[in-house]
Amino acid sequence: EAQVTQNPRYLITVTGKKLTVTCSQNMNHEYMSWYRQDPGLGLRQIYYSMNVEVTDKGDVPEGYKVSRKEKRNFPLILESPSPNQTSLYFCASSLSRAGISNQPQHFGDGTRLSIL
Amino acid sequence: AQTVTQSQPEMSVQEAETVTLSCTYDTSESNYYLFWYKQPPSRQMILVIRQEAYKQQNATENRFSVNFQKAAKSFSLKISDSQLGDTAMYFCAFLYSGNTPLVFGKGTRLSVIA
Repeated sequence: EAQVTQNPRYLITVTGKKLTVTCSQNMNHEYMSWYRQDPGLGLRQIYYSMNVEVTDKGDVPEGYKVSRKEKRNFPLILESPSPNQTSLYFCASSLSRAGISNQPQHFGDGTRLSIL
Repeated sequence: AQTVTQSQPEMSVQEAETVTLSCTYDTSESNYYLFWYKQPPSRQMILVIRQEAYKQQNATENRFSVNFQKAAKSFSLKISDSQLGDTAMYFCAFLYSGNTPLVFGKGTRLSVIA
């Protein structure tokens, strides 16, 4: 089954404790991205990757890091989380860039992070 | 920078009726893509419909259709024969064909009432 898998689904942690949210896709997609969703703000793109070892900043990259060492994985790293990073996070992948083609973006089920 | 505006935070519709969700965007580009995504209570993001700006014909997917007015920078979603399963948050999104992020509106919460 084609899917994007995020882990964990829920996490409560404290300020300053490094955390990583993993994202893996099994569709051999080149394009992957991370979004955060906040009430009243919709979804905002954090980082995206066009292919292995190629990453670019989205609209709200501050406080986040990503890596793309393998095609299937695109982890989101919070080196020193702060309460303003409490949010719902989505990973997505697509065959080509974010919908440019007949192949849509596939989203993971979301990760709810709470930073105390 | 591109912006996307959804002016209706919440809407409701009776089952089997038709509802239209509005979306406007601002861009100076001529080649771009527009999307409507659905987010049900399960929180999954599901692509409903997409439109390429260079296509004049409005996209249609079963009960979902769009009214794309390029000059007015408007991209509304019409849902016909509304069903209870259509209850969700709906997001309009814009993508320039260059190397820029996908930009979402703030969403419209749609409730379908039996």
